[in-house]
Amino acid sequence: DAGVTQSPTHLIKTRGQHVTLRCSPISGHKSVSWYQQVLGQGPQFIFQYYEKEERGRGNFPDRFSARQFPNYSSELNVNALLLGDSALYLCASSPGQGVRSGANVLTFGAGSRLTVL
Amino acid sequence: DAKTTQPPSMDCAEGRAANLPCNHSTISGNEYVYWYRQIHSQGPQYIIHGLKNNETNEMASLIITEDRKSSTLILPHATLRDTAVYYCIVSTNFGNEKLTFGTGTRLTIIP
Repeated sequence: DAGVTQSPTHLIKTRGQHVTLRCSPISGHKSVSWYQQVLGQGPQFIFQYYEKEERGRGNFPDRFSARQFPNYSSELNVNALLLGDSALYLCASSPGQGVRSGANVLTFGAGSRLTVL
Repeated sequence: DAKTTQPPSMDCAEGRAANLPCNHSTISGNEYVYWYRQIHSQGPQYIIHGLKNNETNEMASLIITEDRKSSTLILPHATLRDTAVYYCIVSTNFGNEKLTFGTGTRLTIIP
């Protein structure tokens, strides 16, 4: 079975541009989370979506948005890019809420590395 | 979520047991201890989790103190492929996927 797949793997943008990152969860997983990892730091939580609804949001500005589609794939959008948005963006999937044991056993993708110039 | 404290780096000889400590003195009764690791340029990988009993799986063992204020991840026979950053995280187990990663412990396995 395929793991969590993310695209693109690498991309370069300039300040002020917009970016869309995509994520396909493991088959059967209904929950998708997004994390930002700046160089030298641990991943920081951005969003969680379950059954197409936002279930959690981290401390990120409104320039960051996301959505989940009926097939449980997800997109992360970032508008008006800043130099500080340069990071590895990680998507993780899990069976989702309602699965009592191991709800936080997330499977991460390899990430999309965004460079903002 | 409770905060965790880990040493920034550790070395371990190949073939020996690697013991990674974590302090979580403010952990609450419904919070689990999770361990993830991140090998260079990859996404984090789940290792193990537990509430209060010691746990073991094919990758590692997790020892949680009786007062639950600290834990130790044990890799029984470390290999070079275990070189990674290891994150200790405490979180509730139900309906909450906001994992708070710290800076972790950079474990280097020495040949």
